[in-house]
Order: sequence, then C-alpha cells, then structure tokens
Amino acid sequence: EDQVTQSPEALRLQEGESSSLNCSYTVSGLRGLFWYRQDPGKGPEFLFTLYSAGEEKEKERLKATLTKKESFLHITAPKPEDSATYLCAVHDSWGKFQFGAGTQVVVTP
Amino acid sequence: EAGVVQSPRYKIIEKKQPVAFWCNPISGHNTLYWYLQNLGQGPELLIRYENEEAVDDSQLPKDRFSAERLKGVDSTLKIQPAELGDSAVYLCASSGQPSTGELFFGEGSRLTVL
Repeated sequence: EDQVTQSPEALRLQEGESSSLNCSYTVSGLRGLFWYRQDPGKGPEFLFTLYSAGEEKEKERLKATLTKKESFLHITAPKPEDSATYLCAVHDSWGKFQFGAGTQVVVTP
Repeated sequence: EAGVVQSPRYKIIEKKQPVAFWCNPISGHNTLYWYLQNLGQGPELLIRYENEEAVDDSQLPKDRFSAERLKGVDSTLKIQPAELGDSAVYLCASSGQPSTGELFFGEGSRLTVL
C-alpha cells in the first residue's frame, strides 16, 4: 500500500526566512509526485509535477526536488502570502493518487 | 474558463438523515474524483470516474454512500443515513490528463452531522 508522510506537520517562519518541507513516500510504481497548495476553506491548487529522481521544478519562491525516496519543497525568502497548507501526493501504477497529511506553513511579517 | 463547481458549500443535518452533494467538473474533463478531507488531514479518495464508469470505488463505504455520474458530466455523491463520523469536507476534482497530476478541485462541501 502506498504511503506518503509529510514533515514537519506545521512550520512557522519569519518573512524572508527560507526553509524546506519534506515528503517521503513508498509507492508501487511511481508515475509522478505532485505538490499542491491549500488555503483555508478552499480546495487544493496544483503547483508541480515531478516524474523522476533528480528532477526540479520552480515557481516564484517555491522549488520542488525529487529523489527515489522523498521530495522537498524549498521556500526561498517567503512572504506572508505563502502561508498555506502544502500537500504532497503520489500517483502510482494503478492510477491512484495518495495524498499526505500536509504541512501547515505560517509566514509572519 | 469556469472551474469545478460544487454545491452546497455547507450542510448541517441530524444523524440518520440523508444528504447529497453535487459536482460540475470542468468542461471536457473525463476523469472525476470525489475525496473526503478531515481537519488536518490530506484528501482521501472515495471514488474515481472515467466518463460514466466508476473505475475505483474501493474506498467508498457502500453500505451508506453512493455516487453516480450520468452522461459522464455532473456527479452526485449521496450519504444515507449520515453518521456523526461523516462530518468532513467532501471535495470534487476533475482532470483532463490525470498522468500530469494536475487535478482541479472545487471549493468543497462541508458537512456537519449533529
């Protein structure tokens, strides 16, 4: 059975204080690893897809990387508007998407 | 382009009553998902449709939950009867290309069972 574990559960950052979120996974036949952002009261919003170890994707202050066992979401010089819950998900060979529990990020001015 | 539309946004019912949620996916998206999300947790898949066909309903509690997607467009998720533990957010998502991982989610329907 696929497992996705995200750490830490919560992260409080000062504006400009860079940090990384971790997503470790076990999956039968990884077809892709995805990062989503979720704001309170909203549905998740797609950020990135990573397909193979060594791949990197960037979007504004966010950078996602992938190894064979885990993925990292780096937040560089965060701003208060980066406050959200960040969800990691894996897509396996059966076509299933398995989400992690998320990391709640709060960025204070 | 309109996003995924869900209704109602909020529903409060007594236990043992029935409830239904409706989802209109993005036009042209063949794949539709219903997820359940508890507070502080990630979404958990209930059912996945490819057009009209339910291709993965292994996590759907079939004794009380049912879903349909007539004509391969709109979908309805029903709970009958509701239990206290069903209180959660029910999310609908659609995708034109699931392999890309890009699922488009609606804002969800928040259910409270009293």
